[in-house]
Amino acid sequence: AQKITQTQPGMFVQEKEAVTLDCTYDTSDPSYGLFWYKQPSSGEMIFLIYQGSYDQQNATEGRYSLNFQKARKSANLVISASQLGDSAMYFCAMREGPNSGYSTLTFGKGTMLLVSP
Amino acid sequence: NAGVTQTPKFQVLKTGQSMTLQCAQDMNHEYMSWYRQDPGMGLRLIHYSVGAGITDQGEVPNGYNVSRSTTEDFPLRLLSAAPSQTSVYFCASRRQAEGPYEQYFGPGTRLTVT
Repeated sequence: AQKITQTQPGMFVQEKEAVTLDCTYDTSDPSYGLFWYKQPSSGEMIFLIYQGSYDQQNATEGRYSLNFQKARKSANLVISASQLGDSAMYFCAMREGPNSGYSTLTFGKGTMLLVSP
Repeated sequence: NAGVTQTPKFQVLKTGQSMTLQCAQDMNHEYMSWYRQDPGMGLRLIHYSVGAGITDQGEVPNGYNVSRSTTEDFPLRLLSAAPSQTSVYFCASRRQAEGPYEQYFGPGTRLTVT
């Protein structure tokens, strides 16, 4: 079974609208972390936001927020007020176990977001 | 502070050739890793290291070797290149400590094997 599932290969949104990118995960470890990265057409990987499994509140970073539903094992990225520069590939990733030792990141296959004027 | 650097940016190899992709970081991060990115596959972990002298295999290690002689450097060696190794390769590093420490990625190396 896939550990990270991103079911939307592509999403379209108009500028200034909000958009939600879906991510579900699978783990039996009680300690884990969830990350979202953005990859623009230039190719670099840009860290956006992090949610720890024990965090009580949903993470927020500027226009990005993470809708964390632990019981449903989902960690959706919400981008408010989309901008043209948000057009990019977005990856959800999970670290199982505490951030030490041999814990590694597993990535989903990504969602391509296109923002139109 | 350059972060994570990778060389070369682009490389074309013939089948059977060998080469080393270089990766260096100046953030004193203990953890370093190599990923490959293929269309529709996301990023898949090749090898990783938790410190100098310590390496381990990831999801797709076949055909690749690594070593970690210093904290700063983590080269990836292709012993005998195959067309299936055509991909974009990313090196990443992070602190190895409790907390939300994200991985920092290098700019990537685009490798084509003909």
